[in-house]
This record gives sequence, C-alpha cells and structure tokens, in this order.
Amino acid sequence: DAGVIQSPRHEVTEMGQEVTLRCKPISGHDYLFWYRQTMMRGLELLIYFNNNVPIDDSGMPEDRFSAKMPNASFSTLKIQPSEPRDSAVYFCASSLLADSPLHFGNGTRLTVT
Amino acid sequence: QQPVQSPQAVILREGEDAVINCSSSKALYSVHWYRQKHGEAPVFLMILLKGGEQKGHDKISASFNEKKQQSSLYLTASQLSYSGTYFCGTEKRGGATNKLIFGTGTLLAVQP
Repeated sequence: DAGVIQSPRHEVTEMGQEVTLRCKPISGHDYLFWYRQTMMRGLELLIYFNNNVPIDDSGMPEDRFSAKMPNASFSTLKIQPSEPRDSAVYFCASSLLADSPLHFGNGTRLTVT
Repeated sequence: QQPVQSPQAVILREGEDAVINCSSSKALYSVHWYRQKHGEAPVFLMILLKGGEQKGHDKISASFNEKKQQSSLYLTASQLSYSGTYFCGTEKRGGATNKLIFGTGTLLAVQP
C-alpha cells in the first residue's frame, strides 16, 4: 500500500493567494483527518470526515479555510485568501475505523510570505 | 481539551530507560501514542482503550490507568532509533470517532 499521499510537499505563496492542499487516503479507510502543526500550537485537528461526510469542522480557524471530500479517494483543504500566520505543516491522516491507528501522510509545508 | 505531557524533553544514553506521561483532567475514551522524527510524519505506536490496560511490543510499552485519565509510555534499554518527539493523542468519552487531540509532545534524544 502506498500510504496516505499528500501534494504538494512544499508550497510557497504570497499573502492573499489561494492555496489548495490535496490528500489521497489509504484505500478502504473510512476516516480522513486534516491536522496543522506549528511550533507554537503543536498538532491541531482542523476537520475530519467519515465516509466522505464532514463530521466536525470546529477546528477550522476561520472562514478562509474550507475542506471537501468529493469521493472516498480524494480530499482538499483550501485557504483563500492565505495569510502569513497560516504558515505551517499540514498533515492529512486516514484510519480504517474508529479505534484504529491514524496513518499520516508526509505533510505539506506551507509558507505564506 | 489538550492533554498534558511530561516531561517536555529528555536526554538519554543508549541503554537507559525513559517514561513519558500523558494526563487528562477528565476520563477518556482512548489514548494513542505516536512518534515523530524530525521532518517526518507521526508514526503510530499503540492504542489503549481499557482502564488498567497495559500493552507493548519490543521494548516499548504503555499503560492506561483505571480511571482512564493517565497514560504512560515506557521505553526500556533505549536505542538511537528511539530519538524523536512522542505525542499522545486522546479521545474524549463519547467516542468512538477517532477524533484525537494531541499533547504538546515530549522530545526524546538518545545519545551514544
């Protein structure tokens, strides 16, 4: 299995631009999670999906952030417009079931200048 | 509510033991443990679901106390490969959703 695949690995953009991060979960996994990691705040849960349906988006910081999961094999996290404080590593993770391990992708390092 | 991890950092020599603690103010549904090496993704170590549970593999084990408010990760006879940041991820009662809130992490450095 290829594991969770995220793209791009690195993204550098200017303030005000739209940014789209992509994730392909492990096939057959029912749960998909988006986390953000910074030195100051650690690993923060932004949103998670179960069977492609958003269940809890209480961690999404602002309306500038949106996430979709149009099918079982693809999810996007969009930031529009981006701001320097959005700079972080964004991880996507998937799990087969509840009570099962989270498998993390390699992350997207976002830098907003 | 974010769990509290302690210590924040620990430095060991190869072969020494370490204990990392994870505490919650309320009883939990589950606790996960992950290790993250610099520049890499977190990697799953183990999950505990039952109060009083203990489990482990190789020289890494973990416990979950009876009240399900505290978990400890035990690393014995540490190896250089154990270096990294260890996170506990907790799920509050009312699970199972796998919605994990992660602690601030414990940086472990194993030196030759």
